[in-house]
Amino acid sequence: EDQVTQSPEALRLQEGESSSLNCSYTVSGLRGLFWYRQDPGKGPEFLFTLYSAGEEKEKERLKATLTKKESFLHITAPKPEDSATYLCAIINNNDMRFGAGTRLTVKP
Amino acid sequence: NAGVTQTPKFQVLKTGQSMTLQCAQDMNHEYMSWYRQDPGMGLRLIHYSVGAGITDQGEVPNGYNVSRSTTEDFPLRLLSAAPSQTSVYFCASRRSRGSNQPQHFGDGTRLSIL
Repeated sequence: EDQVTQSPEALRLQEGESSSLNCSYTVSGLRGLFWYRQDPGKGPEFLFTLYSAGEEKEKERLKATLTKKESFLHITAPKPEDSATYLCAIINNNDMRFGAGTRLTVKP
Repeated sequence: NAGVTQTPKFQVLKTGQSMTLQCAQDMNHEYMSWYRQDPGMGLRLIHYSVGAGITDQGEVPNGYNVSRSTTEDFPLRLLSAAPSQTSVYFCASRRSRGSNQPQHFGDGTRLSIL
């Protein structure tokens, strides 16, 4: 069965302390891997799509990478406004399957 | 740009009551879907639609009904609410089911069943 596992469940960083979030997946044929940001009381907001191993995407302090088994969301010098839950999802058999998310807190 | 609009934002029901969660999108997307989000479990697919008049079940469809009479609207009906249906419900859309483009989400309906 296709699965998406995110780690850690929660991550607390000091402002400026870089780190990475992990998304490992098993899928018969990856058609796309997605990263979303979700703020409290809001719906998921799209960040990146990655389609093939070796691909990288960047946006401000965020950089997403993809291998054949996992994706990383690297956060460089985070700020308190980067605090949110980050969701990873894959396309499997035309439907999206989501991980449970990583709740990131960045303290000033 | 409205995107995906959900109403109501909050609702409290008693066990056994029925209600309809509304969802509308203005992007002319063929594919629309409903998810529920529970702590530690991620988003789980309830029902989806690939176009007006066509719906199908997702991962957790029991206790829910859907219909799609127009491209824009995709309401979710709870037939007889149960405490296990307490959750946050999200509606989403994307261009088509076969598309590998990202989904767009509404801001959710927070539902409590007493």
